[in-house]
Amino acid sequence: DAGVTQSPTHLIKTRGQQVTLRCSPKSGHDTVSWYQQALGQGPQFIFQYYEEEERQRGNFPDRFSGHQFPNYSSELNVNALLLGDSALYLCASSVLSDQPQHFGDGTRLSIL
Amino acid sequence: GDSVTQMEGPVTLSEEAFLTINCTYTATGYPSLFWYVQYPGEGLQLLLKATKADDKGSNKGFEATYRKETTSFHLEKGSVQVSDSAVYFCALTGNQFYFGTGTSLTVIP
Repeated sequence: DAGVTQSPTHLIKTRGQQVTLRCSPKSGHDTVSWYQQALGQGPQFIFQYYEEEERQRGNFPDRFSGHQFPNYSSELNVNALLLGDSALYLCASSVLSDQPQHFGDGTRLSIL
Repeated sequence: GDSVTQMEGPVTLSEEAFLTINCTYTATGYPSLFWYVQYPGEGLQLLLKATKADDKGSNKGFEATYRKETTSFHLEKGSVQVSDSAVYFCALTGNQFYFGTGTSLTVIP
């Protein structure tokens, strides 16, 4: 039973570019959440998707957007990248929004 | 708003020592509380959870009790092992998941 899978593992971009990160949830899970984890910090909630809609959103600017597909997989898009966007981006899936979340290993995004 | 405050690290212990990592929370409702662990180079894994006051979550020798009166969910283990070296995150569900800043634990032989 595959867990949460994320791609790519690592990514290097320059300021001003756009990036798309991808996530496949654990089998049987229909809710996907995205987090940003800066070095030495805890994960910060970006947003959550359920039934292909954004259900909750954390304190992140509109440059951060997402999408959920009918098969429950999800994408995180970040536009106009800033140096401060360098972080580990984690995807988590669950059956319900307040149930324990299963995390992927993350995508390490570096902005030059 | 909802938040989690975690004990600052890093924490270094000798093998078989007793571990406590403090966690307190602020929440408007009745959140569920969690401890997650992140081993080096890996993603977060759920360690234990408690969904209501006085519940005790336990797993792999770790325990934490949901204390509503002190708004706390401290993580404890009676005898740590080298393999417990990791970063530990306290978390709660309010209108979203909130994580603490993490406590790094190193256990030395």
